[in-house]
Amino acid sequence: GNSVTQMEGPVTLSEEAFLTINCTYTATGYPSLFWYVQYPGEGLQLLLKATKADDKGSNKGFEATYRKETTSFHLEKGSVQVSDSAVYFCALSDYTGGFKTIFGAGTRLFVKA
Amino acid sequence: EAGVTQSPTHLIKTRGQQATLRCSPISGHTSVYWYQQALGLGLQFLLWYDEGEERNRGNFPPRFSGRQFPNYSSELNVNALELEDSALYLCASSVGRATNEKLFFGSGTQLSVL
Repeated sequence: GNSVTQMEGPVTLSEEAFLTINCTYTATGYPSLFWYVQYPGEGLQLLLKATKADDKGSNKGFEATYRKETTSFHLEKGSVQVSDSAVYFCALSDYTGGFKTIFGAGTRLFVKA
Repeated sequence: EAGVTQSPTHLIKTRGQQATLRCSPISGHTSVYWYQQALGLGLQFLLWYDEGEERNRGNFPPRFSGRQFPNYSSELNVNALELEDSALYLCASSVGRATNEKLFFGSGTQLSVL
């Protein structure tokens, strides 16, 4: 079946550092890919998405490119802020085995001032 | 516009009891999804309801069940509670069932089984 694998956290960075959170997936169909973010005390919310190969999703300075050849969707940001401290979830959605969205285990990010 | 609302916020039960969790989707959303977020395990897909029907379920035993009402709100029932059912249960809704649809999440119900 489909699966999503994320790098384990926590990831601790200083403010203005470069961020990469790795995400790879296994899918038999043509999934859409997402990054969701969960800020402390809040529910999950969509950060960005990409629906086909080579698409780049972007939002709030974060970017991720749908790489079909490497089955990856790595999240990047050039300069993180303390307010980016949160848990980040990579997810995929398609119809294999019935329509559903599945999530990775999440990566917690701490940004120090 | 109201977001996805879940109740109760916290629920404490003992082993063997039944738990009922409720979810109201965003107005106009017909699909409701349930996920279990256990500590360190990420989100595990439980159930998907659309237009009043169960459309898909994850790898959970039959004691996890639910339903969707005509107003698209939903209930998740967990029978014969076990200690490992302790988790945050998240409900999400979407406008439709296309793979590129984003999910809107509620804040969850924290279920503790003692």
